[in-house]
Amino acid sequence: QKEVEQNSGPLSVPEGAIASLNCTYSDRGSQSFFWYRQYSGKSPELIMSIYSNGDKEDGRFTAQLNKASQYVSLLIRDSQPSDSATYLCAVNRDDKIIFGKGTRLHILP
Amino acid sequence: EPEVTQTPSHQVTQMGQEVILRCVPISNHLYFYWYRQILGQKVEFLVSFYNNEISEKSEIFDDQFSVERPDGSNFTLKIRSTKLEDSAMYFCASSELGQTFYGYTFGSGTRLTVV
Repeated sequence: QKEVEQNSGPLSVPEGAIASLNCTYSDRGSQSFFWYRQYSGKSPELIMSIYSNGDKEDGRFTAQLNKASQYVSLLIRDSQPSDSATYLCAVNRDDKIIFGKGTRLHILP
Repeated sequence: EPEVTQTPSHQVTQMGQEVILRCVPISNHLYFYWYRQILGQKVEFLVSFYNNEISEKSEIFDDQFSVERPDGSNFTLKIRSTKLEDSAMYFCASSELGQTFYGYTFGSGTRLTVV
């Protein structure tokens, strides 16, 4: 079983709509969960972190965590063309962070 | 805002040659990491480093790889004899408070091309 699983996409969302990105993880011992954004050819950029069950909001971004279901999601409200990127779900394991393969998001103008 | 700095941004090398990738972590950070990303694939953990020694390394990080903190600021990744499959983006990251709980700050990466 893959440690962090994401749908690779692409996910196409009209500008102004809500983009919903999902992720599942396998290690129940993970305590920290992250969403990184990666533009093509660039490094990952941390946009959200979440540590406890429920929702965490930061501007247009909301991260959701359900440890019982081993499920993490990211909602992007009022999607903008600049949100077009690959979104990487990541979880901690021991002394490192493990990444999913990412979901490619395309915002349609 | 503090940054993790990586040099060079792009390096082309002949197969079998040694390469050294350089990173300057954020000054008050204590934990350092190297990751790589082969084109079209996921970001993969290579090694973590704390208190001048390796904390953990992945299966990828074999005897051809080594890391060093030669002075108070630089953190380097050496590949002794490069192979074609070492072609990838290499990212350095650092963390202040403790391991992975708060996430990392990544550098801008070095694109390594082995020909």
